[in-house]
Amino acid sequence: KAGVTQTPRYLIKTRGQQVTLSCSPISGHRSVSWYQQTPGQGLQFLFEYFSETQRNKGNFPGRFSGRQFSNSRSEMNVSTLELGDSALYLCASSRNQGNRDSPLHFGNGTRLTVT
Amino acid sequence: ELKVEQNPLFLSMQEGKNYTIYCNYSTTSDRLYWYRQDPGKSLESLFVLLSNGAVKQEGRLMASLDTKARLSTLHITAAVHDLSATYFCASMEYGNKLVFGAGTILRVKS
Repeated sequence: KAGVTQTPRYLIKTRGQQVTLSCSPISGHRSVSWYQQTPGQGLQFLFEYFSETQRNKGNFPGRFSGRQFSNSRSEMNVSTLELGDSALYLCASSRNQGNRDSPLHFGNGTRLTVT
Repeated sequence: ELKVEQNPLFLSMQEGKNYTIYCNYSTTSDRLYWYRQDPGKSLESLFVLLSNGAVKQEGRLMASLDTKARLSTLHITAAVHDLSATYFCASMEYGNKLVFGAGTILRVKS
């Protein structure tokens, strides 16, 4: 069974640009959530999508947005990139929203570097 | 707001020794998750603790949950080099929002 797939693995962008990251969840999983990992702030929740609707959002500025498609694949977009957006972005999937009895399954992440 | 604290943040161990990582969380929760992360890699689920008093073991790792004390522990028995990694505990705040601890960097020296 294929795991959570994130593309691309690495990205280098310049300040002010925008970037789109992609996530394909495990087959049959309908919930996709996104996390940002940095050395200073650790792992922080960005948002969660379920049935093409954003269900929950973390404390990030509006420059961070996302969407989910009918096949449960998700994309996140960061506009007007800042140096502080450099991070590992992790996508996680689960079968349903709020299914707390099972762990979230994480992808390998996209390493974004903003110069 | 849920807060999760781990200690220690860094742990250097000799092979064969035992040690415990502690995870405290600030609000009532009956679910606690442990993940492992190798350098440059993703998060691998280790344990899901579902109720007060839950204990789970996998190899040299054993995790437990005390919901009344809001405390989970990850005990390492007879450490080996392959256990070197960063270990995170996390609690679910709402939906699928996990709140993570800062992580414990474990280095096992031979």
